[in-house]
Amino acid sequence: AQTVTQSQPEMSVQEAETVTLSCTYDTSESDYYLFWYKQPPSRQMILVIRQEAYKQQNATENRFSVNFQKAAKSFSLKISDSQLGDAAMYFCAYRTSGYALNFGKGTSLLVTP
Amino acid sequence: EAQVTQNPRYLITVTGKKLTVTCSQNMNHEYMSWYRQDPGLGLRQIYYSMNVEVTDKGDVPEGYKVSRKEKRNFPLILESPSPNQTSLYFCASTLEPRLASSEQFFGPGTRLTVL
Repeated sequence: AQTVTQSQPEMSVQEAETVTLSCTYDTSESDYYLFWYKQPPSRQMILVIRQEAYKQQNATENRFSVNFQKAAKSFSLKISDSQLGDAAMYFCAYRTSGYALNFGKGTSLLVTP
Repeated sequence: EAQVTQNPRYLITVTGKKLTVTCSQNMNHEYMSWYRQDPGLGLRQIYYSMNVEVTDKGDVPEGYKVSRKEKRNFPLILESPSPNQTSLYFCASTLEPRLASSEQFFGPGTRLTVL
């Protein structure tokens, strides 16, 4: 079974600073996708970024980027120029050609002015 | 607007009183799924459906039923709810589940409290 581990239950960052959220996963598959989802206080699940395992290049979406280390099975999310609206719960998730997303337990991000 | 809708958004009920949470998507997606979210546990899959009349258990199916009579609807049924089913429930759908890249679209969530 695949497992996804987020070792930081809570993180804090000052507005305009950069923060990195950690995620590791365990799998024997070679082809898979990794995702970061954001869950603001509205509880809506919002896809932030995704990474294909066979791509060397790290995915980037505006202020959000990932550091994907396939050999280490690590998939961290970097948020640059943090904004108050980035405050949320962030979930790392893994998926192969199977059907379910396997989620980590989440990291709560607090953004301070 | 492409979306997944859930009803109700909030529900307080008592132990043993049957309830149904509806889920509907307007994107003609084949695959639909239910997750529950609990503090410190992330989201865990309850049931999923690959297409009409095809459903299967996820990681935590005990105490739940589902049906898929139409492509757009995937209701979650709790025949005899218990307090340990107090949780936040999400319905999700995706167009092509066999592709790992296929994005899952989530509904807004249903907060269920069982007293």
